[in-house]
Amino acid sequence: AQTVTQSQPEMSVQEAETVTLSCTYDTSENNYYLFWYKQPPSRQMILVIRQEAYKQQNATENRFSVNFQKAAKSFSLKISDSQLGDTAMYFCAFMRTNNNDMRFGAGTRLTVKP
Amino acid sequence: DGGITQSPKYLFRKEGQNVTLSCEQNLNHDAMYWYRQDPGQGLRLIYYSQIVNDFQKGDIAEGYSVSREKKESFPLTVTSAQKNPTAFYLCDSSRQGNYGYTFGSGTRLTVV
Repeated sequence: AQTVTQSQPEMSVQEAETVTLSCTYDTSENNYYLFWYKQPPSRQMILVIRQEAYKQQNATENRFSVNFQKAAKSFSLKISDSQLGDTAMYFCAFMRTNNNDMRFGAGTRLTVKP
Repeated sequence: DGGITQSPKYLFRKEGQNVTLSCEQNLNHDAMYWYRQDPGQGLRLIYYSQIVNDFQKGDIAEGYSVSREKKESFPLTVTSAQKNPTAFYLCDSSRQGNYGYTFGSGTRLTVV
């Protein structure tokens, strides 16, 4: 079974600074998908970014980017120019190809300080 | 607007009673899922359905039941056999192609 590990239960960052959230996973699959989801205090889950394992290029969405290291099974999220609205729980998730069953990490609670 | 609707937002149940959580989607997604969220544990999969009239157990299916009679609907019943049902429940759906999930806004269930 695939497992997803987020080793940082809580993190904080000053507004406008950059922060990196860590995620590692364990799988014997070669093709799969990785995701970062944001859950603000409203508890609505929001997709932040998606990475396909067969693509070497790191995914980027505006201020959010990932560092995908397939050999190391690492998938970290970098948030640049942090904003107060980035305060939320962030979940890393893994999905096998042709199987929409997704596995989530335990989450990292990020606080952006003014 | 397309989306997923979970109802109610808050639900209280007495011990020993069954309760059903509603999940409806108008996104024409084939697959639907139920997750449970507890503090510090992320999301754990309860049940999922890839197609109408078919569903599979997830990691923590004991004490729960589901049905998928219509593509749009995937209700979850929390039975009295579930020993610790107080939690936040998330329903979501996905289309073919590994694009990730669209989530509902969740139901907070409290056993009193």
